[in-house]
Amino acid sequence: EAGVTQFPSHSVIEKGQTVTLRCDPISGHDNLYWYRRVMGKEIKFLLHFVKESKQDESGMPNNRFLAERTGGTYSTLKVQPAELEDSGVYFCASSQVTSGYGGELFFGEGSRLTVL
Amino acid sequence: LAKTTQPISMDSYEGQEVNITCSHNNIATNDYITWYQQFPSQGPRFIIQGYKTKVTNEVASLFIPADRKSSTLSLPRVSLSDTAVYYCLVGDPFSGYSTLTFGKGTMLLVSP
Repeated sequence: EAGVTQFPSHSVIEKGQTVTLRCDPISGHDNLYWYRRVMGKEIKFLLHFVKESKQDESGMPNNRFLAERTGGTYSTLKVQPAELEDSGVYFCASSQVTSGYGGELFFGEGSRLTVL
Repeated sequence: LAKTTQPISMDSYEGQEVNITCSHNNIATNDYITWYQQFPSQGPRFIIQGYKTKVTNEVASLFIPADRKSSTLSLPRVSLSDTAVYYCLVGDPFSGYSTLTFGKGTMLLVSP
């Protein structure tokens, strides 16, 4: 069974440019999460999809970030325009919560974003 | 949100048992305790989850005392490949994982 896949693994862009990160969750997982770790900081929650709906986007830093999950399958996270402080590693995770079990998060390997 | 405190780092040798303790004094009634492992350049990987007493799987054991204000992850007979960062997360996974916060984690270094 394929795990969570993220693309690209590394992106280098200049300040002001646009980048789109993609996440393919494990097939059948309704829950999809985005997290990020900026340099030297802790892993922080960004947002949570349940199928195609945004369940919680309280962690999104500002309106330069746009996440979508059309059709409830893969998700994209667009940063436009990118700023220097957006550099970091963006992780995607998916899960399937069932009754009585909180379930585990399955993480992808992350997309490293470097903004110059 | 429950705040967690873990040691910043630990050292061990191959074949030893390693116990990493996490303090979470303000754990809420609906909160679970979940541990993740992370290797460099990879995403975190689930190890174990528990609510109370003891949970054991093929990888580790999780000990939770009655007051639930702390928990201990036990890794039996560690190997070099267990060198990683270990995170203790406390929160209600049924409310969505936005309630779970990754702290600084514990860097475990296993030596030959």
